[in-house]
Amino acid sequence: EIVLTQSPGTLSLSPGERATLSCRASQTVGDNHLAWYQQKPGQAPRLLIRGASRRATGIPDRFSGSGSGTDFTLTISRLEPEDFAVYYCQQYNTSPRTFGQGTKVEI
Amino acid sequence: EVQLVESGGTLVQPGGSLRLSCAASGFTFSSYSMNWVRQAPGKGLEWIAYITSSSSTIDYADSVKGRFTISRDNAKNSLFLQMNSLRDEDTAVFYCARGEGSAGWLIDFWGQGTLVTVSS
Repeated sequence: EIVLTQSPGTLSLSPGERATLSCRASQTVGDNHLAWYQQKPGQAPRLLIRGASRRATGIPDRFSGSGSGTDFTLTISRLEPEDFAVYYCQQYNTSPRTFGQGTKVEI
Repeated sequence: EVQLVESGGTLVQPGGSLRLSCAASGFTFSSYSMNWVRQAPGKGLEWIAYITSSSSTIDYADSVKGRFTISRDNAKNSLFLQMNSLRDEDTAVFYCARGEGSAGWLIDFWGQGTLVTVSS
């Protein structure tokens, strides 16, 4: 099983600042099958990034993903008020598909 | 508009059984793989089950293997999760989630979830 470790656990920032979230895998994630999801309180997760770096349909370009192998990053270039949420990475190359424990981005 | 609406969540005693349903609309359900993902209160996400569009391939997380069964009815645009031998640690919000394409493992859309509480 691929274990995904996200850091930091909580990121305290202000609107307009840059957020950098990390996701490290215990083994290589094949084909860069790494996704990022955003979850707001009481809501379902929403797909942001697929294939490590491709934005999903309708996702603003302030969200970007990078990385390969075992180290991946989600960057939010300038935080908007609606971006304060929990972010999860997930690998979907190997079963079981596994999620990181999440990073909370708070004001 | 893509919609996934889960139902069936309730309070159930340990050792009991429950069947969750997910009604799909706004897309060609029979062309997409589907998943169940759960989230314990205040915790992270856990993928638990997957089924291809034709039901030819099914996969489970070890934590539910042998106790849960995923199935679908393409004629009724519905996904199901039969849960047996429920434990306290199964308490969670259960999400129905669409896969990418007929057999894709990427989850690209989620329902709003249904809460299952296992307690005596």
